[in-house]
Amino acid sequence: EAGVAQSPRYKIIEKRQSVAFWCNPISGHATLYWYQQILGQGPKLLIQFQNNGVVDDSQLPKDRFSAERLKGVDSTLKIQPAKLEDSAVYLCASSFGRAGQAFFGQGTRLTVV
Amino acid sequence: GESVGLHLPTLSVQEGDNSIINCAYSNSASDYFIWYKQESGKGPQFIIDIRSNMDKRQGQRVTVLLNKTVKHLSLQIAATQPGDSAVYFCAEKPSNYQLIWGAGTKLIIKP
Repeated sequence: EAGVAQSPRYKIIEKRQSVAFWCNPISGHATLYWYQQILGQGPKLLIQFQNNGVVDDSQLPKDRFSAERLKGVDSTLKIQPAKLEDSAVYLCASSFGRAGQAFFGQGTRLTVV
Repeated sequence: GESVGLHLPTLSVQEGDNSIINCAYSNSASDYFIWYKQESGKGPQFIIDIRSNMDKRQGQRVTVLLNKTVKHLSLQIAATQPGDSAVYFCAEKPSNYQLIWGAGTKLIIKP
């Protein structure tokens, strides 16, 4: 089966600019996650969707980050405006259910300069 | 806050030897634990999991041991191969809460 697809793979932007990441989960997976992974650290959950509803966004910096999953399939994560500390790998993952094993995409490496 | 930690940030192992990666957790409410492998430039990949009602679980060349008394988790990799080079993360899941990830251990395989 096809895995979790993410794009772009790499992105370099200047601080205060905006950026968007796209994720296509594994077909049939109702749960979708966005994680932020800073170099040398474990992934940090930003937001979790169940179909098109938000389950947990407690660690999402809502003043600059937003995410949507309008039709319960693809999802986009946006940062506006970006800060230097947003430089990280943004990982998308999906699972069949809320407690199921999560499958990860390759991630988008964001560099803010 | 409570978190998952690792004893060794980097582990060097001779090819063919067994590897043991350790992890300490602090949340006594955690009832599910997972080990992930992350190769350079890739997303984390599930290796093996274990529930708190078990002490040991075996997979293909990997074994996870859980010691709830001292809140310790370990991943054993038998006959380590070059392809095992990666960063290994343990993660814990308290009931009705999100997965909590540790910082990772980098496994280096010496030829």
